[in-house]
Amino acid sequence: EIVLTQSPGTLSLSPGERATLSCRASQSVSSSYLAWYQQKPGQAPRLLIYGASSRATGIPDRFSGSGSGTDFTLTISRLEPEDFAVYYCQQYDSSPRTFGGGTKVEIK
Amino acid sequence: EVQLSESGGGLVQPGGSLRLSCAASGFTFSTSAMSWVRQAPGKGLEWVSSISGSGHATYYADSVKGRFTISRDNSKNTMYLQLSSLRAEDTAVYYCAKEPVAVPGIFDYWGQGTLVTVSS
Repeated sequence: EIVLTQSPGTLSLSPGERATLSCRASQSVSSSYLAWYQQKPGQAPRLLIYGASSRATGIPDRFSGSGSGTDFTLTISRLEPEDFAVYYCQQYDSSPRTFGGGTKVEIK
Repeated sequence: EVQLSESGGGLVQPGGSLRLSCAASGFTFSTSAMSWVRQAPGKGLEWVSSISGSGHATYYADSVKGRFTISRDNSKNTMYLQLSSLRAEDTAVYYCAKEPVAVPGIFDYWGQGTLVTVSS
């Protein structure tokens, strides 16, 4: 099973700042089968990015994904108030599909 | 508009059973693979089970294999998860999620979740 490790566990930033979230895989994720989700308290997750860098429908362009192999990054260029949430990465290269432990982006 | 609505959660004793349902609308249900993903209180996300559009192929996490059964009724646009031999560690919010036909493996729409609590 591919283990995904997200860092940092918590990111304390102010609105307008840039957020950089990391997701490291225990083995290579081929064809960049890596997705990112956002989850706010009491809500279901929302798909942000798939294929490591493709934005899902309706996702603002301040969200971008990059990386390949074992190292992937989600970048939020300028944090809006509604972006403070928990972010999860997920690999769909091999079974079982696995999620990272999450990164909480909180208001500083 | 895609809508997914789970039901059937509740409090159940260890060793007990429960059936969750996921009613879907707003897309062609029979062509979409569907999944269940759970989240224990205060924890992260865990994929539980998936089923192909036809229902002929099913997949399970090792943690639930032999205890949970996924199924679907395409005539009713509904997916099910039968939970048996429940354990305390199965306590979680259970989400149903749709997989896009073009990108199998990801979850593009989620329901609001239904809470399953396993406790005596």
